[in-house]
Amino acid sequence: QSVLTQPPSVSAAPGQKVTISCSGSSSNIGNNYVSWYQQLPGTAPKLLIYENNKRPSGIPDRFSGSKSGTSGTLGITGLQTGDEADYYCGTWDSSLTAVVFGGGTKLTVL
Amino acid sequence: EVQLVESGGGLVQPGGSLRLSCAASGFTFSTYWMHWVRQAPGKGLVWVSRINSYGSTTGYADSVKGRFTISRDNAKNTVYMQMNSLRAEDTAVYYCARDGPGSLPDYWGQGTLVTVSS
Repeated sequence: QSVLTQPPSVSAAPGQKVTISCSGSSSNIGNNYVSWYQQLPGTAPKLLIYENNKRPSGIPDRFSGSKSGTSGTLGITGLQTGDEADYYCGTWDSSLTAVVFGGGTKLTVL
Repeated sequence: EVQLVESGGGLVQPGGSLRLSCAASGFTFSTYWMHWVRQAPGKGLVWVSRINSYGSTTGYADSVKGRFTISRDNAKNTVYMQMNSLRAEDTAVYYCARDGPGSLPDYWGQGTLVTVSS
């Protein structure tokens, strides 16, 4: 059971928009930054969003992040088949003194 | 370009030991904290450990505390994970990652597979 809760799967058609939620608590998301990672099949995770809503160089603006209270959200617009991947949220947990991740969300682009 | 290359994975019997290495390049290694994160087959990401830039401060997940030891050699730009008393549930791909904004991983290596089985 992961400390952060994500939906197991989401799906949408090419060109559409999807959001992925990440729910935590005051000891983690509520008082710390959220990062989002994309893991394409058979590859290592890649940073998509850091500090709740910032994109590293090279990440298209189709990817966005937000945080409200103890939840974070990843948004992806203009879906492409190449976006099919597992997406993970992560944050620091001040009570556990550990990095914690969500269980991951599998995105299917129909 | 930031590069992290893990090595040292393989098949080990329950109760055995293994040492993983992660060679870093493309950034000033000695100024960054480093993490190890693992992923069991078909499962999600699980944080394992981290170490500060000097090697003087470390942190571990409860599941590995007392069995795994993280260390680093800044002269060799390498971070290590010594894994003892290995269990079947330690079977996973182990990723090395650099610490980034928010004290969270930013760049990740390609991973090395550890299989604990008799």
